[in-house]
Amino acid sequence: QKEVEQNSGPLSVPEGAIASLNCTYSDRGSQSFFWYRQYSGKSPELIMFIYSNGDKEDGRFTAQLNKASQYVSLLIRDSQPSDSATYLCAVRTGGYNKLIFGAGTRLAVHP
Amino acid sequence: NAGVMQNPRHLVRRRGQEARLRCSPMKGHSHVYWYRQLPEEGLKFMVYLQKENIIDESGMPKERFSAEFPKEGPSILRIQQVVRGDSAAYFCASSPDSGLMNTEAFFGQGTRLTVV
Repeated sequence: QKEVEQNSGPLSVPEGAIASLNCTYSDRGSQSFFWYRQYSGKSPELIMFIYSNGDKEDGRFTAQLNKASQYVSLLIRDSQPSDSATYLCAVRTGGYNKLIFGAGTRLAVHP
Repeated sequence: NAGVMQNPRHLVRRRGQEARLRCSPMKGHSHVYWYRQLPEEGLKFMVYLQKENIIDESGMPKERFSAEFPKEGPSILRIQQVVRGDSAAYFCASSPDSGLMNTEAFFGQGTRLTVV
């Protein structure tokens, strides 16, 4: 079993719709959870992080964490073509920024 | 405030040569992390360093790879006798501290290594 699992996609959504990206992790000791966006050939850029159960909202993005189910998700409201990218879920378990990444989900937002 | 600086951005090496990748963390950051990304895959942790110390090298291949972060100057990831399988994007990240849950690591633009 992979430590962090994501559906590879591509996830295709129409412009203006809600995109839902999911991630599961295996280590119950995981403490912090990160969503990165990566455009092709570019470096990962942090969208948001969450470490408490529940929802965390930032603009069009909402991260949801359920530690009992070992599940974290990212919702993107009002999806735009510029949101088309690979979204990486990352989990931090230890006391420093050693991140375990999933393989990423490709999102395609079509006009 | 400049971000994490990596150089070179692109590096081509012939099989058997050495590759040196450099990373200058953000100002005020003393923690450096190296990750490798193979084509169509997620990032894999390689090593975590503080000034003059390797803290966690659990992701480093046992042979040919080494990393350092000297007291002065950038962090260096060194790959000796490169092989085609070393072709990847190598990302460096830095953070100001390590212990708080809500601290993030900032990534550099990466070095794309191609072994021919």
